[in-house]
This record gives sequence, C-alpha cells and structure tokens, in this order.
Amino acid sequence: KAGVTQTPRYLIKTRGQQVTLSCSPISGHRSVSWYQQTPGQGLQFLFEYFSETQRNKGNFPGRFSGRQFSNSRSEMNVSTLELGDSALYLCASSLATYEQFFGPGTRLTVL
Amino acid sequence: AQSVTQPDIHITVSEGASLELRCNYSYGATPYLFWYVQSPGQGLQLLLKYFSGDTLVQGIKGFEAEFKRSQSSFNLRKPSVHWSDAAEYFCAVGGGAAGNKLTFGGGTRVLVKP
Repeated sequence: KAGVTQTPRYLIKTRGQQVTLSCSPISGHRSVSWYQQTPGQGLQFLFEYFSETQRNKGNFPGRFSGRQFSNSRSEMNVSTLELGDSALYLCASSLATYEQFFGPGTRLTVL
Repeated sequence: AQSVTQPDIHITVSEGASLELRCNYSYGATPYLFWYVQSPGQGLQLLLKYFSGDTLVQGIKGFEAEFKRSQSSFNLRKPSVHWSDAAEYFCAVGGGAAGNKLTFGGGTRVLVKP
C-alpha cells in the first residue's frame, strides 16, 4: 500500500499570503490529522477530520483551517501568513483510531 | 490535561552499546502510548505502541518499550545500537476522549559514536 503523501514538499511564501497544503491518506483510512512541528514548540496537534467532519481541534487561531473530501483527502489552509507559521506541517492518517501513520511533511517557509 | 515529558534532550551512545530513552506521561484516562522516530527532513515513523495487555511491547528495528503504570513511564530500549539509529525519537500519548489527538514529548536526539 502506498503511504501518506503530502504536496507540496516545500513551499516559500511571504507574510500576509495564504497557503493550502494537501494530504492523501493511506487507501481505506478515513481519519486525517494535521500537526505543526517547530523547533520552539515541538509537535502540536492542529485538527483531525473523519468522514469529512472535523472531529477534534487543537489550540490554533482561526487562520488555520482544514477540510476533508469524500475520498478522504484533506487540505489545510493558513491565511494571512506570519513569520511564526514557518514550520514542518505533518499529516497523519488512521484506519479507525489511535494508530497513526505520518507523511513526509510539507516544509513551509514564510519570509 | 495530558502531557508527555522526555527528560533527555540529547543522548550520545557508542555503536553496539545499549540505549534507553525515558518518557513520562500525565493522562487522566487509560493512555495509549507510542514511540515514533524521525530522521532529518523526514516524517515520523511508528516504532511501537501500547494499548493494553502485556506491558513489554516489541517494535520494529529491534526496539522495545515497557509500560509502568505506577511510574507513569513508557521507556524505550534497544540492546545494541546501530549507526542508522541516529535520529530524533518522540514519545506520544493519546486515546480516550482525545481520540486521535496525540500529545508529543519534546523529543530526544540520539547521536551514535562509531
């Protein structure tokens, strides 16, 4: 089975722009979670989608949003980018609950 | 609130020596515990997990971990380290009401000396 794929792998944006990241889960997995990884804050949970519904949400501002499509693919959007949004964004998929498989991540740099 | 502490930020070990990485957690319900490994520029790979049952769990790459409820710990061990084990290791807790929301420790970076 193919693993979790994320596109693009690298992205450079400037402050104030918006960005959309994409995640394709492992075939058959219906849960997709997003995490932000930074040197200062470590790995932090953003949100989880299951069957197109947001099931759980972390403590991030409303500039961070996501959605899931009927084929379980998920997108994450960040509006009005700030320098502090520079991070590795990781997507993870799960068949049901608890055991998650991570993608390679999207490295976002905000200038 | 749930939390995970990995007391050691860096560990240096000689190739062939044993390795133990510490993890302490705080969780209100029965925890589901995980160890992940991350190589530079890569995503996270699941090494092993504990949901219930036998408190000593075996994982991939020769790793094992022991769940000790009385100490709120889930330490990772490997009897003989290989140079390819140099990476960053993360302990995580989830489950219960948190569902798939994982709370991660700060990570331990392992350096392997030849």
